[in-house]
Amino acid sequence: AQSVTQLGSHVSVSEGALVLLRCNYSSSVPPYLFWYVQYPNQGLQLLLKYTTGATLVKGINGFEAEFKKSETSFHLTKPSAHMSDAAEYFCAVIGSGYSTLTFGKGTMLLVSP
Amino acid sequence: DAEITQSPRHKITETGRQVTLACHQTWNHNNMFWYRQDLGHGLRLIHYSYGVQDTNKGEVSDGYSVSRSNTEDLPLTLESAASSQTSVYFCASSEGSANTGELFFGEGSRLTVL
Repeated sequence: AQSVTQLGSHVSVSEGALVLLRCNYSSSVPPYLFWYVQYPNQGLQLLLKYTTGATLVKGINGFEAEFKKSETSFHLTKPSAHMSDAAEYFCAVIGSGYSTLTFGKGTMLLVSP
Repeated sequence: DAEITQSPRHKITETGRQVTLACHQTWNHNNMFWYRQDLGHGLRLIHYSYGVQDTNKGEVSDGYSVSRSNTEDLPLTLESAASSQTSVYFCASSEGSANTGELFFGEGSRLTVL
């Protein structure tokens, strides 16, 4: 079985501040890990993914995430928040092969001027 | 450009009625998925398909059915709508012979069951 836990349903930051969204996973096999973003009234879109290899993964819009096996974590960061980053962010995990993608409950990122 | 479209985008129905939500993708992806999104629950998998004539139950499949007669379409049917099925429904697809986790999502269908 696989699962993800996102700490904090809402995170508020000021424009220009560091963004840190937390995700911890549980998987019985080496996981593939993902972050998706959902802007208001839209579907989800892939932000970045970790499969194998380099543990620091860079995504779109300046976001990055680091896979830490010892901590079973895959936290999402961005050095400087922009107003356009306001959205809901979902962490997701998949086991190898024909397993399905399991999403966390999401974290709403609020960015204030 | 290739895309994935859902229809209708908004629907209001009554308890007990049958409802079908359409999903059509033009990427020729083998894998298609239906999720529902509810506050506090994130996205939960309803049904999925890895190819024509293949369908599988997800985490919350009770009260829902799908069929896959061609590559492009995976309609989701609620046989007898219930108020608990009021939700936003997302269709998604991915390429390849296995689920890589890289999903392309439609814009969602908001269903209200009165």
